[in-house]
Amino acid sequence: KQEVTQIPAALSVPEGENLVLNCSFTDSAIYNLQWFRQDPGKGLTSLLLIQSSQREQTSGRLNASLDKSSGRSTLYIAASQPGDSATYLCAVKDDKIIFGKGTRLHILP
Amino acid sequence: NAGVTQTPKFRVLKTGQSMTLLCAQDMNHEYMYWYRQDPGMGLRLIHYSVGEGTTAKGEVPDGYNVSRLKKQNFLLGLESAAPSQTSVYFCASSRLGAQMNTEAFFGQGTRLTVV
Repeated sequence: KQEVTQIPAALSVPEGENLVLNCSFTDSAIYNLQWFRQDPGKGLTSLLLIQSSQREQTSGRLNASLDKSSGRSTLYIAASQPGDSATYLCAVKDDKIIFGKGTRLHILP
Repeated sequence: NAGVTQTPKFRVLKTGQSMTLLCAQDMNHEYMYWYRQDPGMGLRLIHYSVGEGTTAKGEVPDGYNVSRLKKQNFLLGLESAAPSQTSVYFCASSRLGAQMNTEAFFGQGTRLTVV
């Protein structure tokens, strides 16, 4: 049974800092891993998709890495801004898509 | 491009009533999924389908039924609603797992309250 864990559950950092969110999964037989952002009361916004054959993906200030053999992914956010405040979810896909519980990020102005 | 569309967006049910949530996708995706999201719980998989006419149980299937009679539609049914089913429901679709670019696309969510 696939289990996805995100650490930390919540994080507060001053504006401008770089930060790392962590995601781990128990079964390495996945097709891809996807990072999402969710604002309060809203739907999911896809941030980055890493296929199982890839090691990392970058979009603007975001960089996601994948180490499938160790069951780990990280989401790196550079030069954080108050607008980055949201919940970040990671999800791994085999036939199912299983989510972690998310990291609530608060960027302090 | 409509993507993934959920109907309805909001609904209030009385305990014991039944209802069906509709998920429609126009991307010709093989896989479709239903999730529920409760505070602090992330998204939990209810049921999923890997193709027309097929369904499978996810992490929290009890109290729900699904059907996938057409490739583009995935229906989620509540036969006898309970207050514990008060939640936000999300639908998603994606291409076959073995293909490249298997990004999952999500609907906007359905907020269901059972009183």
